[in-house]
Amino acid sequence: ETGVTQTPRHLVMGMTNKKSLKCEQHLGHNAMYWYKQSAKKPLELMFVYNFKEQTENNSVPSRFSPECPNSSHLFLHLHTLQPEDSALYLCASSQDPVRGTFYEQYFGPGTRLTVT
Amino acid sequence: GESVGLHLPTLSVQEGDNSIINCAYSNSASDYFIWYKQESGKGPQFIIDIRSNMDKRQGQRVTVLLNKTVKHLSLQIAATQPGDSAVYFCAENMFNNNDMRFGAGTRLTVKP
Repeated sequence: ETGVTQTPRHLVMGMTNKKSLKCEQHLGHNAMYWYKQSAKKPLELMFVYNFKEQTENNSVPSRFSPECPNSSHLFLHLHTLQPEDSALYLCASSQDPVRGTFYEQYFGPGTRLTVT
Repeated sequence: GESVGLHLPTLSVQEGDNSIINCAYSNSASDYFIWYKQESGKGPQFIIDIRSNMDKRQGQRVTVLLNKTVKHLSLQIAATQPGDSAVYFCAENMFNNNDMRFGAGTRLTVKP
């Protein structure tokens, strides 16, 4: 266990559905991340939150909407997705790099999303 | 643009042999490099890291080598075991930066 949990582990949704992915970290970190992992592609950073504030959005379509209510929880709200959005969505957390330390990211197990 | 890439998409080794997984990076400003291991059905798991002011770092059965001259990173696994079978990713980032860039991954298969 890495201290980062994600629910659900598997999700199948239609293109007109609205669903949310949840991530929770128990490591006392202040930075949280969403990544997309597709087959045969490198991990793609989607969003970054530092101290609950979004600090990075890597040109992610608006059908993905993140929410970070506190430093321990991160959500990814999904609506009107496309089949090409099917992927493994990974959440990660880390210490805040602004403090001037090198850090590693701790990943959750991911949510396997299938859009039909 | 700058990117991190892997030389070999797959690597098959005999149990007990040493494994070497390679990674090329192109961002000379990167300060920090990490190797992750991802087993089936799990998220990436930290293995070992190295800062740009070092050229070698050793862990338990693993060694990371950094050659900044040719922008090359490698992960050496000693006495490879079946439990080492996984996809291995290298990642790079810059000091004080959240944006960690990952390579494509190499699948390591250990034959008994």
